[in-house]
Amino acid sequence: KQEVTQIPAALSVPEGENLVLNCSFTDSAIYNLQWFRQDPGKGLTSLLLIQSSQREQTSGRLNASLDKSSGRSTLYIAASQPGDSATYLCAVWIWSGGSNYKLTFGKGTLLTVNP
Amino acid sequence: EAEVAQSPRYKITEKSQAVAFWCDPISGHATLYWYRQILGQGPELLVQFQDESVVDDSQLPKDRFSAERLKGVDSTLKIQPAELGDSAMYLCASSPGQASSYEQYFGPGTRLTVT
Repeated sequence: KQEVTQIPAALSVPEGENLVLNCSFTDSAIYNLQWFRQDPGKGLTSLLLIQSSQREQTSGRLNASLDKSSGRSTLYIAASQPGDSATYLCAVWIWSGGSNYKLTFGKGTLLTVNP
Repeated sequence: EAEVAQSPRYKITEKSQAVAFWCDPISGHATLYWYRQILGQGPELLVQFQDESVVDDSQLPKDRFSAERLKGVDSTLKIQPAELGDSAMYLCASSPGQASSYEQYFGPGTRLTVT
């Protein structure tokens, strides 16, 4: 059974700092990996989708990398801002039978960026 | 920008009562997902629809939960009877198709509290 682990569970940094969030998965037979952001009491917003053939994906101040062989992904946030404060969730796409795929999520990293 | 709609946003019910949640996916999205997210955990897939057909309900507690998507558009998730352990956020998501290359778009969720 695929398990996704995110470290650290919580992180507090001063504004302007660069930071890295880590995600690991137990089964390297994943198809794609997706990073999400969740604000308190809200739904999820997709940040980056890394295809299995890709090694990284960038959007603005965010950069996500994927190493399938080692079962790891990192989300790098440059020049953090208080508005980046949220829970960041890592999820891997796995095959669930037939032509179906589904997401398996980690528990998330709660990020607080202090002004 | 098109969004996934969910209602109600909040629901408080007593145990043993029935409760229902509604989701309207982004127009044209064939795949619809219902997730349950317990506080401090990542979302867990309950049921996946492709058009009006269920393609994965392996984690749905079928003795008390039911889901339908009669016309392949909007969907309803029902719990009867509700139990204290059902208190959670119920998230709906949609995507253009089942392939792992498609991003999932999430609604704001319904926060259920069972007393």
